[in-house]
Amino acid sequence: GAVVSQHPSWVICKSGTSVKIECRSLDFQATTMFWYRQFPKQSLMLMATSNEGSKATYEQGVEKDKFLINHASLTLSTLTVTSAHPEDSSFYICSANDQASTDTQYFGPGTRLTVL
Amino acid sequence: QKEVEQNSGPLSVPEGAIASLNCTYSDRGSQSFFWYRQYSGKSPELIMSIYSNGDKEDGRFTAQLNKASQYVSLLIRDSQPSDSATYLCAVNWSTGGFKTIFGAGTRLFVKA
Repeated sequence: GAVVSQHPSWVICKSGTSVKIECRSLDFQATTMFWYRQFPKQSLMLMATSNEGSKATYEQGVEKDKFLINHASLTLSTLTVTSAHPEDSSFYICSANDQASTDTQYFGPGTRLTVL
Repeated sequence: QKEVEQNSGPLSVPEGAIASLNCTYSDRGSQSFFWYRQYSGKSPELIMSIYSNGDKEDGRFTAQLNKASQYVSLLIRDSQPSDSATYLCAVNWSTGGFKTIFGAGTRLFVKA
């Protein structure tokens, strides 16, 4: 149980385009989903916390207009990187919190974004 | 002071030895603690959670928690080369809503 999927697993795009990443909880309902970014050999950096049906809470320094988060249902959250630039190239990972066991976060497999 | 602190390593142990990974945290009110393993290029996977003082064993892994000292550790017995990864300590914060704070991770190398 507690499986989280992400799509796509990797994406290459041109500078200036927008990229949407989906995060789904496959076998549980997620009250909360989290979006992280991780640069090579660095630690996880929390970007935002997303609750179903409400606006995401962004961490300090993360531009909400650049990283659009939508959490339309208890099993789906999306992150859209708008007008992507090479410095946005990173490993984006979502995690979900199991409603039945609210302490634990389960991670998706991650999406590697490369902006040319 | 960092909120969740881990030695970045690398920690190198021979195959078959015990690997000991340590973590300290600053929130005295925290009640939930987790260890995740992250292989290079992959996302973190949950190894263990611990909520009470003392030891919790799961196979070759033992988590140890001391809330008075604000300290949590992970022991890996009979270490295998496949255990080579970065181990992340995570603590659910007791204030400011539901929030999990991750340490920067300790890189472990198990030499064959």
